Amino acid sequence: KAGVTQTPRYLIKTRGQQVTLSCSPISGHRSVSWYQQTPGQGLQFLFEYFSETQRNKGNFPGRFSGRQFSNSRSEMNVSTLELGDSALYLCASSLAGTAYEQYFGPGTRLTVT
Amino acid sequence: DQQVKQNSPSLSVQEGRISILNCDYTNSMFDYFLWYKKYPAEGPTFLISISSIKDKNEDGRFTVFLNKSAKHLSLHIVPSQPGDSAVYFCAASDGSNYKLTFGKGTLLTVNP
Repeated sequence: KAGVTQTPRYLIKTRGQQVTLSCSPISGHRSVSWYQQTPGQGLQFLFEYFSETQRNKGNFPGRFSGRQFSNSRSEMNVSTLELGDSALYLCASSLAGTAYEQYFGPGTRLTVT
Repeated sequence: DQQVKQNSPSLSVQEGRISILNCDYTNSMFDYFLWYKKYPAEGPTFLISISSIKDKNEDGRFTVFLNKSAKHLSLHIVPSQPGDSAVYFCAASDGSNYKLTFGKGTLLTVNP
């Protein structure tokens, strides 16, 4: 069974631009979560989607948004990029919405210059 | 407000010895705890978990202990192998909000 895939793997953007990251969950998984990893803060929860509905959102500004499609694939968008948005963005999928065991993708490394 | 804390940023042990990684939490609503291992340039990989109704769970060389009264859990790796060298994250869930709260991680180095 294929794992969680994320595209692109690396991205360089300029301050003020916007970016869209994509995540394809494990087949059969309906819950997708997004996390931001930075050296100082560790992994911080962004949001979770299940059956195209956002069920939980972390403490991030409104510039961070996401969505989930009917095939469970998910995208996250960051608008008006800031230098502090440079991070590894990780997507995780799980069965039936449980938060208990999530399977992570390799991440997208975003660098904002 | 850091609800899950891993107070040791790094740990170094000799191959064959025991590695003990510690984690403390403050939220009494957490009822499920997990350990993830992460290599550079990869996403975290699930290692082992424990429910709050248990105090110990074993899987091969890995054992997780939970002390609810102290709000403390630990991961024991016996025997440690060089391939275990990675960052280990402790995570917790209260099962109701569909997210994991992570600690900041401990870098384990196992020396040959």
